[in-house]
Amino acid sequence: DAGVTQSPTHLIKTRGQQVTLRCSPKSGHDTVSWYQQALGQGPQFIFQYYEEEERQRGNFPDRFSGHQFPNYSSELNVNALLLGDSALYLCASSLGGEQYFGPGTRLTVT
Amino acid sequence: KQEVTQIPAALSVPEGENLVLNCSFTDSAIYNLQWFRQDPGKGLTSLLLIQSSQREQTSGRLNASLDKSSGRSTLYIAASQPGDSATYLCAVWGLYNNNDMRFGAGTRLTVKP
Repeated sequence: DAGVTQSPTHLIKTRGQQVTLRCSPKSGHDTVSWYQQALGQGPQFIFQYYEEEERQRGNFPDRFSGHQFPNYSSELNVNALLLGDSALYLCASSLGGEQYFGPGTRLTVT
Repeated sequence: KQEVTQIPAALSVPEGENLVLNCSFTDSAIYNLQWFRQDPGKGLTSLLLIQSSQREQTSGRLNASLDKSSGRSTLYIAASQPGDSATYLCAVWGLYNNNDMRFGAGTRLTVKP
């Protein structure tokens, strides 16, 4: 049984560009959450998707948006990238309980 | 607003030592508390999940305790090994469910052979 997978592993973008990160949840999980982890910090909650809708959102600007597909996979989109968006982006899936984390996508904005 | 603090930020010990990592949180109205391990540049691996009605959980050489009234949790690692070197993060769940988990900044542990 594959766990949570994320793509791509690494990504380098230029300030002002847009980026899309992808997440496939653990088999049977219907809820996907996204986190941003800056270097040396703990992950910060961005938002959570359930039944293709954003269920809860952390303190992130509207430049951060997401989507969940009928197969429960999810995308995180970030527009107008800033240097401060450079971080490890983690996806976690769950079935109403414990969250299981993917390996993350390392985004570098130059 | 829930704030989670982990002390110390970094810890270096010789192999074989027993050690304690600390986590404190400002709002005792939590659902669960969870300890994770993170290797450099990698995702999170769950170590122990303590439900709000529990006071501790054990897995192998790891033992985690929870005192909601004082807003504290500790992770005890017995007989540390070089393979235990990693960053250890604690996270508290929101009051009703796993939405909006709040993490501490972690303790970076180095176990020297």
